[in-house]
Amino acid sequence: DGGITQSPKYLFRKEGQNVTLSCEQNLNHDAMYWYRQDPGQGLRLIYYSQIVNDFQKGDIAEGYSVSREKKESFPLTVTSAQKNPTAFYLCASSEGLSGANVLTFGAGSRLTVL
Amino acid sequence: GQNIDQPTEMTATEGAIVQINCTYQTSGFNGLFWYQQHAGEAPTFLSYNVLDGLEEKGRFSSFLSRSKGYSYLLLKELQMKDSASYLCAVMDSNYQLIWGAGTKLIIKP
Repeated sequence: DGGITQSPKYLFRKEGQNVTLSCEQNLNHDAMYWYRQDPGQGLRLIYYSQIVNDFQKGDIAEGYSVSREKKESFPLTVTSAQKNPTAFYLCASSEGLSGANVLTFGAGSRLTVL
Repeated sequence: GQNIDQPTEMTATEGAIVQINCTYQTSGFNGLFWYQQHAGEAPTFLSYNVLDGLEEKGRFSSFLSRSKGYSYLLLKELQMKDSASYLCAVMDSNYQLIWGAGTKLIIKP
């Protein structure tokens, strides 16, 4: 079955450490996204990518980095520069960026900074 | 600024009907989406409205009024498994999705 796989599901990090969240899709979607979800807030876009080797900053890109070396993969690195990284991170993909652009989400990664 | 408003929490009874409202103020409009998210899980797509009116899909219906900046999600014959958060999102003129904070729906027997 096609879908999006995120790993790890739970991750603990010490302050000052970088961590990388994995996101892999086998839907043959061109566009991929990373969102952050905090209690009481809407999803906030961190980065998105429309094609391989290209990506754009979203609303809250500071302290995060991404790469898109393969169509299927869009890993997110949470760097030590991110001041408040504890959150639920969701990866998503879609066929494109416009119109009835239905997102397919992964199951999420919960990051906790100790 | 851009804004999506939804009630934070609603409670309903199994077998009943519930309406979850969403109002929006965005820079342009290219469609409104509803997603369902069970606790700790991925959001899943429910509906998409780009024209005014009602879209029905089984027990779920979604309504849109662009002139009023208003949508609602109607859930009929509620089941316990419908307990979840319901997220409203609007695509603006730049094709960026603006998300509401979600409405947590609690279903009681």
